[in-house]
Amino acid sequence: AQSVTQLDSQVPVFEEAPVELRCNYSSSVSVYLFWYVQYPNQGLQLLLKYLSGSTLVKGINGFEAEFNKSQTSFHLRKPSVHISDTAEYFCAGYDSNDYKLSFGAGTTVTVRA
Amino acid sequence: EAGVAQSPRYKIIEKRQSVAFWCNPISGHATLYWYQQILGQGPKLLIQFQNNGVVDDSQLPKDRFSAERLKGVDSTLKIQPAKLEDSAVYLCASSRQGVDTGELFFGEGSRLTVL
Repeated sequence: AQSVTQLDSQVPVFEEAPVELRCNYSSSVSVYLFWYVQYPNQGLQLLLKYLSGSTLVKGINGFEAEFNKSQTSFHLRKPSVHISDTAEYFCAGYDSNDYKLSFGAGTTVTVRA
Repeated sequence: EAGVAQSPRYKIIEKRQSVAFWCNPISGHATLYWYQQILGQGPKLLIQFQNNGVVDDSQLPKDRFSAERLKGVDSTLKIQPAKLEDSAVYLCASSRQGVDTGELFFGEGSRLTVL
């Protein structure tokens, strides 16, 4: 099964500033990677996913992530955040060998005016 | 299409009592998951169903937790008796049959507080 590590538990950021959330995964032959967002008192919503192909993946709400196989990373970025981006963000990895989706511990993003 | 439905949204019980959560997945989704999300942690898989069969329940505390998915559609997760450490959000998710990419669709969760 995949092991996913999110390197930052909390990220405070000012409105309109850029943000980067870091995620590393354990190496595997077949891996699919995801970023989910969880707004307060809501379920998880898919932001973006990497299945294959281009290593730069664009998602909803202006987010993008880059798959880096040599560094086993899948960092999430947004060039300019809004107050509404305040949420918890989860990186997840799916191992198609055992059909398991494993989540990181999450990164709480707090956007201040 | 309608999303994953869960109920109740919130439940408060005392330790040693029992509780049940219900989930209705997206229509046509063959795979259903129950995750436990403790405050400050990522979701942890409790059990995974493919249609009405169990694929993985290795992390389900079987002495107190049980789950079923009758007729391959709705599912119920039960805890009996509850412990303080069971306080968490229980997330239900589903995924399409035959799409082996791990993309899951989540419900809003059922928040359990055990006093």
